[in-house]
Amino acid sequence: SQKIEQNSEALNIQEGKTATLTCNYTNYSPAYLQWYRQDPGRGPVFLLLIRENEKEKRKERLKVTFDTTLKQSLFHITASQPADSATYLCALNTGGGNKLTFGTGTQLKVEL
Amino acid sequence: GAGVSQSPSNKVTEKGKDVELRCDPISGHTALYWYRQSLGQGLEFLIYFQGNSAPDKSGLPSDRFSAERTGGSVSTLTIQRTQQEDSAVYLCASSLGQGAGGNTIYFGEGSWLTVV
Repeated sequence: SQKIEQNSEALNIQEGKTATLTCNYTNYSPAYLQWYRQDPGRGPVFLLLIRENEKEKRKERLKVTFDTTLKQSLFHITASQPADSATYLCALNTGGGNKLTFGTGTQLKVEL
Repeated sequence: GAGVSQSPSNKVTEKGKDVELRCDPISGHTALYWYRQSLGQGLEFLIYFQGNSAPDKSGLPSDRFSAERTGGSVSTLTIQRTQQEDSAVYLCASSLGQGAGGNTIYFGEGSWLTVV
C-alpha cells in the first residue's frame, strides 16, 4: 500500500539545538516533496519544496534533504527557537498535476 | 483578497442536515484543493480542480460529498445528510496550477464543521 509516514510522537528539544524531522514514504515516486508548518487552529503554511533531482535545499535556518533511494526526506531546523514550536507536515505529489498527499505530521516543541 | 478565503469559519449543524462550505481562492490560481483534517490527524485529500480539466474526485469519502467550481474561481463543497463522523476542519487551498516543478499551495484557515 502507499504510505507517507512521519513520527507521530512529539519531538521535544532544547532551544538552540537542531531539530530533525523524518518523512518516509512507500510505493510512491514523487517528482517533488514539500514541507509545511501548521500552528493550532490554522491552515498549513508552505516552507520548502525539493525536487527529485535535488539532494538538499536550504532556506535560512531550514534544511531539507531528499533521498529517492531510501524514499526519505529529512527536515532540519538549526538554532531552534520556541517560536519554531508547531506541527510540521511533509507532502508528496502523488497524482497528475499538483495533487499533494500529506503525511500525518510531527509536533515539535522547543523548550527554553 | 490576498489569501484563500473560506466561509463559514465555524458551522454547527444537526445530523442529517446538508451543509455548504465555500472557498474563494487566490486570484489567478487555476488549481484548487479541498482537504479534511480531523482532530489531531493529518490532511485527508478530498478533491482537486485544475483549470477546465475534469476534477480529481478520488478522495471524496462517499456520495454524500460533492464539490463544484464555478467559472474557474469560487468552489463550494457540499455535504448532504451530515453524519457525526463528518465533523472536522475542511481546508481549501489554491496554487498557480500544473507545472513540472510543483507549485506552492496556499491554504485558507479552514471551515470548522461540527455535526451534533
